[in-house]
Amino acid sequence: DIQMTQSPSTLSASVGDRVTITCRASQSVSIWLAWYQQKPGKAPKLLIFDASTLENGVPSRFSGSGSGTEFTFTISTLQPDDAATYYCQQYESWWTFGQGTKVEIK
Amino acid sequence: QVQLQESGPGLVKPSETLSLTCTVSGDFSTGFYLNWIRQTPRKGLEWIGFVSSSGNAKYNPSLRSRVTMSVDPAKNHVSLTLHSVTTADTALYFCAAAVPRVPKAFAVWGRGTMVIVSS
Repeated sequence: DIQMTQSPSTLSASVGDRVTITCRASQSVSIWLAWYQQKPGKAPKLLIFDASTLENGVPSRFSGSGSGTEFTFTISTLQPDDAATYYCQQYESWWTFGQGTKVEIK
Repeated sequence: QVQLQESGPGLVKPSETLSLTCTVSGDFSTGFYLNWIRQTPRKGLEWIGFVSSSGNAKYNPSLRSRVTMSVDPAKNHVSLTLHSVTTADTALYFCAAAVPRVPKAFAVWGRGTMVIVSS
Protein backbone atom coordinates (compact mmCIF):
# COMPACT_ATOMS: atom_id res chain seq x y z
CA ASP A 1 0.00 0.00 0.00
CA ILE A 2 1.08 3.55 -0.68
CA GLN A 3 0.70 5.55 2.53
CA MET A 4 -0.24 9.23 2.37
CA THR A 5 0.73 11.57 5.18
CA GLN A 6 -0.67 15.07 5.47
CA SER A 7 0.56 17.93 7.58
CA PRO A 8 -0.58 19.69 9.57
CA SER A 9 -3.54 17.77 10.98
CA THR A 10 -5.29 21.01 11.85
CA LEU A 11 -4.63 24.64 11.15
CA SER A 12 -6.29 27.85 12.17
CA ALA A 13 -6.00 30.90 9.93
CA SER A 14 -7.69 34.22 9.34
CA VAL A 15 -9.77 35.25 6.37
CA GLY A 16 -7.43 36.51 3.68
CA ASP A 17 -4.48 34.37 4.81
CA ARG A 18 -2.52 32.09 2.51
CA VAL A 19 -2.87 28.48 3.62
CA THR A 20 -0.62 25.59 2.63
CA ILE A 21 -1.09 21.87 3.26
CA THR A 22 1.56 19.25 2.53
CA CYS A 23 0.98 15.67 1.46
CA ARG A 24 3.78 13.10 1.33
CA ALA A 25 3.57 9.70 -0.31
CA SER A 26 5.48 6.66 0.96
CA GLN A 27 6.66 6.05 -2.62
CA SER A 28 6.46 7.95 -5.88
CA VAL A 29 2.98 8.52 -7.26
CA SER A 30 4.18 10.66 -10.19
CA ILE A 31 1.44 13.28 -10.64
CA TRP A 32 -1.40 10.92 -9.79
CA LEU A 33 -2.72 12.88 -6.85
CA ALA A 34 -6.01 14.61 -6.07
CA TRP A 35 -7.22 16.98 -3.39
CA TYR A 36 -10.71 16.96 -1.91
CA GLN A 37 -12.67 19.25 0.37
CA GLN A 38 -15.16 17.79 2.84
CA LYS A 39 -17.59 19.73 5.00
CA PRO A 40 -19.46 18.14 7.94
CA GLY A 41 -22.27 15.87 6.83
CA LYS A 42 -21.26 16.10 3.18
CA ALA A 43 -19.38 13.96 0.71
CA PRO A 44 -15.87 14.91 -0.33
CA LYS A 45 -15.69 17.30 -3.26
CA LEU A 46 -12.95 17.03 -5.87
CA LEU A 47 -10.93 20.23 -6.12
CA ILE A 48 -7.72 19.26 -7.93
CA PHE A 49 -6.62 16.19 -9.88
CA ASP A 50 -3.40 15.13 -11.57
CA ALA A 51 -1.60 17.15 -8.86
CA SER A 52 -2.34 20.57 -10.31
CA THR A 53 -5.41 20.52 -12.57
CA LEU A 54 -8.29 22.52 -11.16
CA GLU A 55 -11.64 20.75 -11.40
CA ASN A 56 -14.39 22.56 -13.31
CA GLY A 57 -16.11 25.24 -11.27
CA VAL A 58 -13.52 25.29 -8.46
CA PRO A 59 -12.36 28.80 -7.52
CA SER A 60 -8.90 29.77 -8.71
CA ARG A 61 -7.74 30.56 -5.15
CA PHE A 62 -7.23 26.79 -4.81
CA SER A 63 -4.09 25.34 -6.35
CA GLY A 64 -1.90 22.25 -6.19
CA SER A 65 1.67 21.44 -7.05
CA GLY A 66 4.27 18.73 -6.73
CA SER A 67 5.21 15.36 -8.14
CA GLY A 68 6.79 12.15 -6.96
CA THR A 69 6.42 11.98 -3.19
CA GLU A 70 5.87 15.60 -2.16
CA PHE A 71 2.78 17.67 -2.88
CA THR A 72 1.39 21.01 -1.80
CA PHE A 73 -2.15 22.33 -1.70
CA THR A 74 -2.63 26.08 -1.36
CA ILE A 75 -5.53 28.39 -0.71
CA SER A 76 -4.20 31.77 -1.81
CA THR A 77 -6.73 33.92 0.06
CA LEU A 78 -8.71 32.06 2.71
CA GLN A 79 -12.46 32.63 2.64
CA PRO A 80 -15.01 31.81 5.37
CA ASP A 81 -16.55 29.13 3.14
CA ASP A 82 -13.19 27.32 3.02
CA ALA A 83 -13.58 25.98 6.57
CA ALA A 84 -13.48 22.23 5.95
CA THR A 85 -11.30 19.15 6.07
CA TYR A 86 -9.01 18.63 3.08
CA TYR A 87 -7.75 15.25 1.91
CA CYS A 88 -5.10 14.19 -0.55
CA GLN A 89 -5.57 10.95 -2.49
CA GLN A 90 -3.11 9.01 -4.62
CA TYR A 91 -4.18 6.92 -7.59
CA GLU A 92 -0.82 5.61 -8.81
CA SER A 93 -1.53 2.24 -7.20
CA TRP A 94 -5.12 1.63 -6.25
CA TRP A 95 -6.43 4.57 -4.23
CA THR A 96 -5.42 5.74 -0.76
CA PHE A 97 -6.22 8.91 1.13
CA GLY A 98 -4.34 11.05 3.58
CA GLN A 99 -5.72 11.39 7.07
CA GLY A 100 -7.03 14.88 6.44
CA THR A 101 -6.24 18.46 7.43
CA LYS A 102 -8.92 20.42 9.23
CA VAL A 103 -8.89 24.11 8.32
CA GLU A 104 -10.49 26.42 10.85
CA ILE A 105 -11.19 30.11 10.52
CA LYS A 106 -9.92 32.29 13.38
CA GLN B 1 -24.16 15.45 -15.18
CA VAL B 2 -24.15 12.10 -13.40
CA GLN B 3 -25.75 11.91 -9.94
CA LEU B 4 -25.37 9.11 -7.43
CA GLN B 5 -27.54 7.95 -4.54
CA GLU B 6 -26.66 5.23 -2.05
CA SER B 7 -29.28 3.11 -0.33
CA GLY B 8 -29.37 0.16 2.00
CA PRO B 9 -30.12 -1.00 5.53
CA GLY B 10 -28.79 1.24 8.24
CA LEU B 11 -28.24 -1.64 10.65
CA VAL B 12 -26.62 -5.03 10.06
CA LYS B 13 -25.87 -7.77 12.59
CA PRO B 14 -22.33 -9.06 13.08
CA SER B 15 -21.40 -12.02 10.84
CA GLU B 16 -24.20 -11.15 8.40
CA THR B 17 -23.96 -9.69 4.89
CA LEU B 18 -24.15 -6.01 4.08
CA SER B 19 -25.75 -5.08 0.77
CA LEU B 20 -25.79 -1.53 -0.59
CA THR B 21 -27.00 -0.09 -3.88
CA CYS B 22 -25.82 2.97 -5.72
CA THR B 23 -28.37 4.35 -8.17
CA VAL B 24 -26.87 6.26 -11.06
CA SER B 25 -28.82 9.09 -12.67
CA GLY B 26 -27.54 10.30 -16.00
CA ASP B 27 -25.22 8.82 -18.57
CA PHE B 28 -24.02 5.41 -17.39
CA SER B 29 -21.79 4.94 -20.38
CA THR B 30 -18.58 3.33 -21.49
CA GLY B 31 -15.62 4.50 -19.48
CA PHE B 32 -17.63 4.96 -16.34
CA TYR B 33 -16.14 3.48 -13.15
CA LEU B 34 -18.14 3.35 -9.94
CA ASN B 35 -16.18 3.17 -6.72
CA TRP B 36 -17.21 2.42 -3.17
CA ILE B 37 -15.44 4.26 -0.36
CA ARG B 38 -16.12 4.17 3.35
CA GLN B 39 -15.26 6.61 6.10
CA THR B 40 -14.72 6.04 9.79
CA PRO B 41 -13.29 8.30 12.49
CA ARG B 42 -10.52 5.76 13.15
CA LYS B 43 -9.37 4.88 9.64
CA GLY B 44 -10.57 7.88 7.67
CA LEU B 45 -11.40 7.38 4.00
CA GLU B 46 -10.85 3.86 2.70
CA TRP B 47 -11.28 2.77 -0.92
CA ILE B 48 -13.23 -0.50 -1.10
CA GLY B 49 -13.20 -1.19 -4.82
CA PHE B 50 -14.60 -0.30 -8.22
CA VAL B 51 -16.77 -1.80 -10.90
CA SER B 52 -16.85 -0.57 -14.48
CA SER B 53 -19.92 -0.07 -16.61
CA SER B 54 -18.96 -3.34 -18.34
CA GLY B 55 -18.84 -5.23 -15.02
CA ASN B 56 -15.08 -5.45 -14.53
CA ALA B 57 -14.35 -5.17 -10.80
CA LYS B 58 -11.24 -4.62 -8.68
CA TYR B 59 -11.12 -4.65 -4.90
CA ASN B 60 -8.95 -3.34 -2.10
CA PRO B 61 -6.66 -6.27 -1.22
CA SER B 62 -7.49 -5.84 2.47
CA LEU B 63 -11.19 -6.48 1.78
CA ARG B 64 -11.01 -8.66 -1.33
CA SER B 65 -11.99 -11.89 0.40
CA ARG B 66 -15.30 -10.40 1.61
CA VAL B 67 -16.35 -7.98 -1.16
CA THR B 68 -18.35 -8.34 -4.34
CA MET B 69 -19.47 -5.53 -6.65
CA SER B 70 -21.78 -5.81 -9.62
CA VAL B 71 -23.54 -3.58 -12.10
CA ASP B 72 -27.04 -3.72 -13.56
CA PRO B 73 -27.00 -1.26 -16.48
CA ALA B 74 -30.71 -1.77 -17.17
CA LYS B 75 -31.55 -0.42 -13.72
CA ASN B 76 -28.57 1.93 -13.48
CA HIS B 77 -27.71 0.17 -10.24
CA VAL B 78 -24.31 -0.70 -8.83
CA SER B 79 -24.25 -3.07 -5.87
CA LEU B 80 -21.81 -3.62 -3.03
CA THR B 81 -21.92 -6.82 -1.00
CA LEU B 82 -19.72 -7.23 2.07
CA HIS B 83 -19.79 -10.61 3.80
CA SER B 84 -19.14 -11.56 7.43
CA VAL B 85 -19.32 -8.03 8.76
CA THR B 86 -17.94 -7.00 12.14
CA THR B 87 -18.22 -3.83 14.16
CA ALA B 88 -15.12 -2.61 12.31
CA ASP B 89 -17.31 -2.34 9.18
CA THR B 90 -19.45 0.33 10.83
CA ALA B 91 -18.92 3.33 8.57
CA LEU B 92 -20.36 5.95 6.27
CA TYR B 93 -20.39 4.35 2.83
CA PHE B 94 -20.10 6.42 -0.32
CA CYS B 95 -20.30 5.59 -3.98
CA ALA B 96 -18.20 7.82 -6.21
CA ALA B 97 -17.63 7.92 -9.94
CA ALA B 98 -14.54 8.29 -12.04
CA VAL B 99 -15.81 9.67 -15.33
CA PRO B 100 -14.10 9.81 -18.76
CA ARG B 101 -13.28 13.50 -18.28
CA VAL B 102 -11.48 12.70 -15.00
CA PRO B 103 -10.59 9.02 -15.39
CA LYS B 104 -8.80 8.32 -12.11
CA ALA B 105 -10.00 10.76 -9.45
CA PHE B 106 -13.53 10.74 -8.05
CA ALA B 107 -15.39 13.64 -9.63
CA VAL B 108 -18.90 12.67 -8.58
CA TRP B 109 -20.02 11.44 -5.15
CA GLY B 110 -23.23 10.29 -3.59
CA ARG B 111 -24.30 11.73 -0.25
CA GLY B 112 -23.37 8.57 1.61
CA THR B 113 -25.28 6.08 3.69
CA MET B 114 -24.48 5.21 7.28
CA VAL B 115 -24.17 1.55 8.20
CA ILE B 116 -23.96 0.37 11.78
CA VAL B 117 -22.93 -3.18 12.58
CA SER B 118 -24.46 -4.18 15.89
CA SER B 119 -26.40 -7.01 17.45
